[in-house]
Amino acid sequence: DAGVIQSPRHEVTEMGQEVTLRCKPISGHNSLFWYRQTMMRGLELLIYFNNNVPIDDSGMPEDRFSAKMPNASFSTLKIQPSEPRDSAVYFCASSFDGREETQYFGPGTRLLVL
Amino acid sequence: GEDVEQSLFLSVREGDSSVINCTYTDSSSTYLYWYKQEPGAGLQLLTYIFSNMDMKQDQRLTVLLNKKDKHLSLRIADTQTGDSAIYFCAEAGGGNKLTFGTGTQLKVEL
Repeated sequence: DAGVIQSPRHEVTEMGQEVTLRCKPISGHNSLFWYRQTMMRGLELLIYFNNNVPIDDSGMPEDRFSAKMPNASFSTLKIQPSEPRDSAVYFCASSFDGREETQYFGPGTRLLVL
Repeated sequence: GEDVEQSLFLSVREGDSSVINCTYTDSSSTYLYWYKQEPGAGLQLLTYIFSNMDMKQDQRLTVLLNKKDKHLSLRIADTQTGDSAIYFCAEAGGGNKLTFGTGTQLKVEL
């Protein structure tokens, strides 16, 4: 299995621009998670989906952030408009509803907003 | 709400054992996990333990769980330079979410 795939791996953009991050979960997994990691705040859960439905978006910072999961094999996290404080590493993770909820992480997208 | 705490740094000499500690607050946790994050990479699952166990061993890794004190530890025997990374503990308290600790940066010195 290829594991969780994220794209792009690196993104540099200017303040005010729209940023779209993409994630392909592991085939057969039915839960998908978006995290943000910064030095100051550590690892934060932004939103998670179960069976393509958003279950908990309480970690989404503000209305500039939105996430979608149109099907079981694809999700996007969009920031519009982006701000310098959004600079972070964004991770996608997936898991399967089973006896244990092990999450498998993608390599992350390193976002720099100038 | 759930809270998971770890010390921020640990420094050990190569060949020594490392012990990384974690405390959590959710007594309903079913599984507890250890993840490893190397520089510039994502989190990699190292091991996990079910809450009705008190110990799990996997090669150089030993996980100890004290459910009464809500304390989890990860022991790495014969620590190598390749073990230098950030180690996160996490707990599954129900639903699909994991609550992660702040991470412990392990530095292995020659």
